[in-house]
Amino acid sequence: AQSVTQLDSHVSVSEGTPVLLRCNYSSSYSPSLFWYVQHPNKGLQLLLKYTSAATLVKGINGFEAEFKKSETSFHLTKPSAHMSDAAEYFCVVSEASSASKIIFGSGTRLSIRP
Amino acid sequence: KAGVTQTPRYLIKTRGQQVTLSCSPISGHRSVSWYQQTPGQGLQFLFEYFSETQRNKGNFPGRFSGRQFSNSRSEMNVSTLELGDSALYLCASSPITGEQETQYFGPGTRLLVL
Repeated sequence: AQSVTQLDSHVSVSEGTPVLLRCNYSSSYSPSLFWYVQHPNKGLQLLLKYTSAATLVKGINGFEAEFKKSETSFHLTKPSAHMSDAAEYFCVVSEASSASKIIFGSGTRLSIRP
Repeated sequence: KAGVTQTPRYLIKTRGQQVTLSCSPISGHRSVSWYQQTPGQGLQFLFEYFSETQRNKGNFPGRFSGRQFSNSRSEMNVSTLELGDSALYLCASSPITGEQETQYFGPGTRLLVL
């Protein structure tokens, strides 16, 4: 069975400093992994996705994530945080064999301090 | 292209009533998925429709049902509403079905059950 764990419910960083949002997954097969962002009162927007190509995935707005199979992790990073990055971030695992198809992590709320 | 649209955006119902939510996918997209988002349970997959057929179903009671029309528009119905059904219901579309497909989310319908 597949599952996904976001290790931090809330992360707070200062503007201009690096961002690290942690995600661990469990999957019986080769999963697809996604990061989505949700701004207040908005729908979800795809940041990036991993589908068994390059392990370092670059996304929009300067975000990137590295797929580490040995650690079953897919952490999201950004070198320099911007005030507009404040939002809720969801790590998602999707597996072809799963009837539920797609599992969302519980989310990490990112706050940016001026 | 216009994005995913959901109607209505906000809805208030009372216990025991039923409700129908509508989702229009991005033009050309044939897969529509529905999710429930609550503070306690997070984002949970309800079901996915592709070419008018339900392909996957999450772990929700039979009170939750859906359908897809030939133009790919989808409706979701919840009968005999309970207080716990209060949530943000998100619809997402993708061009085809598959675990690697990026989903494009609508803004959601916020349902309040009194």
